[in-house]
Amino acid sequence: KQEVTQIPAALSVPEGENLVLNCSFTDSAIYNLQWFRQDPGKGLTSLLLIQSSQREQTSGRLNASLDKSSGRSTLYIAASQPGDSATYLCAPPTQNTGFQKLVFGTGTRLLVSP
Amino acid sequence: KAGVTQTPRYLIKTRGQQVTLSCSPISGHRSVSWYQQTPGQGLQFLFEYFSETQRNKGNFPGRFSGRQFSNSRSEMNVSTLELGDSALYLCASSPDDGNQPQHFGDGTRLSIL
Repeated sequence: KQEVTQIPAALSVPEGENLVLNCSFTDSAIYNLQWFRQDPGKGLTSLLLIQSSQREQTSGRLNASLDKSSGRSTLYIAASQPGDSATYLCAPPTQNTGFQKLVFGTGTRLLVSP
Repeated sequence: KAGVTQTPRYLIKTRGQQVTLSCSPISGHRSVSWYQQTPGQGLQFLFEYFSETQRNKGNFPGRFSGRQFSNSRSEMNVSTLELGDSALYLCASSPDDGNQPQHFGDGTRLSIL
């Protein structure tokens, strides 16, 4: 059974800092790994999808890396802005259950102060 | 391209009633999944539908059911509502390709009194 842990649970930083959010998972036989953000009271917004064969994926100020062998992924946010304040979730579906069944961590709640 | 649309956005029910939630996926997406989000349990997978068939199921009681129509729109139903069913119910759609991300709607907030 896939279990996902995200560290830290909460993070508060001033604007402009570079951040690293961590995600670890127990089953390394994953299809891919998706990072999402969730704003309060809203649904999930897809940020990045890394295929199991990839090591990194970039979108603007976001960079996600994946190390399947160690069961880890990191989301790097460059030059953070107040608009980045949200909860960030990672979800690595496993080959046993199919790529449609996402298993989520509890997320990292990020607050970026002006 | 329109995103995933969920209706209604908010719903208030009482214990013992039943409820139906609706999800319209992104055009061309044939897979629809449902998730329940609560403060205590986080995000949990309910079930997934593809081509009108339930393809994957989470660990929820039989009171939770769903269906998918030929146009890929999906509904989920919860019968005999309990206080613990209060949650944000999220729907996600995808083209059923492991190389493509899943996209979520804004959810239906269900409150049980």
